[in-house]
Amino acid sequence: GESVGLHLPTLSVQEGDNSIINCAYSNSASDYFIWYKQESGKGPQFIIDIRSNMDKRQGQRVTVLLNKTVKHLSLQIAATQPGDSAVYFCAESSFSGSARQLTFGSGTQLTVLP
Amino acid sequence: GAVVSQHPSRVICKSGTSVKIECRSLDFQATTMFWYRQFPKQSLMLMATSNEGSKATYEQGVEKDKFLINHASLTLSTLTVTSAHPEDSSFYICSARTRRGPPIYEQYFGPGTRLTVT
Repeated sequence: GESVGLHLPTLSVQEGDNSIINCAYSNSASDYFIWYKQESGKGPQFIIDIRSNMDKRQGQRVTVLLNKTVKHLSLQIAATQPGDSAVYFCAESSFSGSARQLTFGSGTQLTVLP
Repeated sequence: GAVVSQHPSRVICKSGTSVKIECRSLDFQATTMFWYRQFPKQSLMLMATSNEGSKATYEQGVEKDKFLINHASLTLSTLTVTSAHPEDSSFYICSARTRRGPPIYEQYFGPGTRLTVT
């Protein structure tokens, strides 16, 4: 079936370095993608989104890249800070029947080292 | 921004009892609400989707008689775990969707409810 997956389950980076978190998706009908940050014991927090008609979108310290040719999504975090330590999920949005649904990837644990 | 609340944040119940979790959209009307379950170190798995005033649509493998969902208004949905067992212990997260013009629909998440069944 369709799925959204991640290449790396864990990622450790030095404080101040840039982080890149990757995600592969398989549903070519997905037209909207979102990155969420989830801290321990909390719900997912929206970080940034991108529509399928775009290949790059920038936010504050974050950039999302979308490569539809290889069905790949990445989240880049500039100057990673200790507060960025969390699990990051990509999610794809597509229609299932007549309803729009969000499918989550497996998540990447980002640890920022001092 | 849009805020979604859940109550309680944590609940411990005995095996065989039922527990109700509330999800509220505080500053917007949610056309659709979603319930997710998350086991430790795993992703969010959609359990069911509910639209205000209509029956919930459950994902394959989710028992509708065990996980009762009521979506009575545009700002409130409840999930009742009936006859809870230890394997129902999990982190339950609700989400509410608002319309921001086609084709994009923003979806906001609650803080989650940690259920422990003893």
